[in-house]
Amino acid sequence: NAGVTQTPKFRVLKTGQSMTLLCAQDMNHEYMYWYRQDPGMGLRLIHYSVGEGTTAKGEVPDGYNVSRLKKQNFLLGLESAAPSQTSVYFCAIRSGYQETQYFGPGTRLLVL
Amino acid sequence: AQSVTQPDIHITVSEGASLELRCNYSYGATPYLFWYVQSPGQGLQLLLKYFSGDTLVQGIKGFEAEFKRSQSSFNLRKPSVHWSDAAEYFCAVANTGNQFYFGTGTSLTVIP
Repeated sequence: NAGVTQTPKFRVLKTGQSMTLLCAQDMNHEYMYWYRQDPGMGLRLIHYSVGEGTTAKGEVPDGYNVSRLKKQNFLLGLESAAPSQTSVYFCAIRSGYQETQYFGPGTRLLVL
Repeated sequence: AQSVTQPDIHITVSEGASLELRCNYSYGATPYLFWYVQSPGQGLQLLLKYFSGDTLVQGIKGFEAEFKRSQSSFNLRKPSVHWSDAAEYFCAVANTGNQFYFGTGTSLTVIP
């Protein structure tokens, strides 16, 4: 998984609880992305970052917040989890423009 | 807006037979195109990519894809499928704004 780790691997939450997903890379890549994958929907971009201290909204940002305080870490936060946020979350990194994305192993989140 | 269509949700082929997975994209400028493969419970692995130049690109595991601008297509092919190719395949397009858009995926079953 090209030096991309995701923590935790699996989590169960109750509606209204909060949590943070961590994506960590050891590749020194500038770009980092958070996706969610749902059956029949493919991957949809939640938020992304083009460098330390920067974040931007993707296709489905509502209900999520992100931070990139350190270059190697990209955090995805759920302030008040909802059952609609049950999904598999993937982090990806990219060294630069016109370069490929490399994906982490994923985090399975179940919101009851 | 950018979008990717994979018209085949599921394909079944016999081992040793040829394979073609379809991908159509919608993007105003020259697209950056990718094919990824995902095995069950795993992250996504890059098979091949097209940025410019030769419209027939070779990838890993014996896969190739052809970019056809006139048809807005980037179909994935393999001349002889192996049982280990059974997986989910995703086509993606990247725009100049650093965002990736994925298709909904094609699930491949290989019959012995």
